[in-house]
Amino acid sequence: EAGVTQSPTHLIKTRGQQATLRCSPISGHTSVYWYQQALGLGLQFLLWYDEGEERNRGNFPPRFSGRQFPNYSSELNVNALELEDSALYLCASSLTGTLYEQYFGPGTRLTVT
Amino acid sequence: AQSVTQLGSHVSVSEGALVLLRCNYSSSVPPYLFWYVQYPNQGLQLLLKYTTGATLVKGINGFEAEFKKSETSFHLTKPSAHMSDAAEYFCAVSDKGSSNTGKLIFGQGTTLQVKP
Repeated sequence: EAGVTQSPTHLIKTRGQQATLRCSPISGHTSVYWYQQALGLGLQFLLWYDEGEERNRGNFPPRFSGRQFPNYSSELNVNALELEDSALYLCASSLTGTLYEQYFGPGTRLTVT
Repeated sequence: AQSVTQLGSHVSVSEGALVLLRCNYSSSVPPYLFWYVQYPNQGLQLLLKYTTGATLVKGINGFEAEFKKSETSFHLTKPSAHMSDAAEYFCAVSDKGSSNTGKLIFGQGTTLQVKP
């Protein structure tokens, strides 16, 4: 069974640009979660999508947004990039609902210069 | 609010020695608890989870953890460390609260070093 996949592996952007990160969940999983792992800040919850709807977002500014497609894949968009957005962005998926374990992808390393 | 504290940001053991990684949580309701491992430049891999039932939970790669409600702890152990266990380990709690939030709350992580 294929795991969670993310693309691209690495992304280099300039301050002020926009970044788009993509995630495909495990087959059968309808919930997708996004986390930011920044140096010194640990793992921070960003967004949760389930059945195409945004269910919850963490304490991040509105320039962090995303969506979930009918096939349950998801996209994270970061607008007006700032240097501190440089981080590993991890996507996870689970069966519908929140009480199931989350399975993580390999991450996208975003570097903002 | 729920929180997770991992005692010791770095733990060093000799190959073959006992591994003990400590995790304490705070929660107003019985939590779901998880341990994840992260190898360099990779995502997180689920080691084990506690939801309900038996408080001693066995996971992959010989790891196990015991849920102790009275101590609000969920320490991770392995009887004999292997070089391949060197990685960063994260304890996490599900934020159940009064409504489902979808959020896992992670500890700061513990880097395990295994010496030959």
